[in-house]
Amino acid sequence: DTEVTQTPKHLVMGMTNKKSLKCEQHMGHRAMYWYKQKAKKPPELMFVYSYEKLSINESVPSRFSPECPNSSLLNLHLHALQPEDSALYLCASSQGRLADGTDTQYFGPGTRLTVL
Amino acid sequence: AQSVSQHNHHVILSEAASLELGCNYSYGGTVNLFWYVQYPGQHLQLLLKYFSGDPLVKGIKGFEAEFIKSKFSFNLRKPSVQWSDTAEYFCAVRTRGSTLGRLYFGRGTQLTVWP
Repeated sequence: DTEVTQTPKHLVMGMTNKKSLKCEQHMGHRAMYWYKQKAKKPPELMFVYSYEKLSINESVPSRFSPECPNSSLLNLHLHALQPEDSALYLCASSQGRLADGTDTQYFGPGTRLTVL
Repeated sequence: AQSVSQHNHHVILSEAASLELGCNYSYGGTVNLFWYVQYPGQHLQLLLKYFSGDPLVKGIKGFEAEFIKSKFSFNLRKPSVQWSDTAEYFCAVRTRGSTLGRLYFGRGTQLTVWP
């Protein structure tokens, strides 16, 4: 089973709203990722959690706030977003096995976010 | 930063035609290589991956890719495409020793297959 689930599938929010995106995996993976994808573009890495610790923050604006409550869950809290933040937000997870070089990322279906 | 080049932005084929999508990367060390596919309205799915060993790797749905180290390439092939192969294809590279498994993606190639 290589399933990563994300909720909600679609989200429309105003610039003053606070909302959260959720991601879950039950594959025992120890690394989880948030990506942002604009139409017809490759995914852009935002955050990486490794063993529940934030390991990479790709200079993402503070209006995006990640959280990893446990090894299976990853949240992305959104506040005061801008219309240009509208995109597909993808979660991914991987085993975290970097030493043997076989780490593979599996992606969730994404949340389609529209900021009005 | 590493770069991954997919030179074909949009490829249009008829069903049963053969497919080859190019992928080149700029890194001289050991790499792990991936092809992901994104069908319309769907999420990224892993097509195939190369870590080591036989440079010709087979993936799902009849796809294969060949790693040519001397050319820094990992081209995706399929002998006979189907209409259902219409999708966006992304090549991705991870360099050994990269921070926490960071993937570098190419810009993607849109494949359109006409029935």
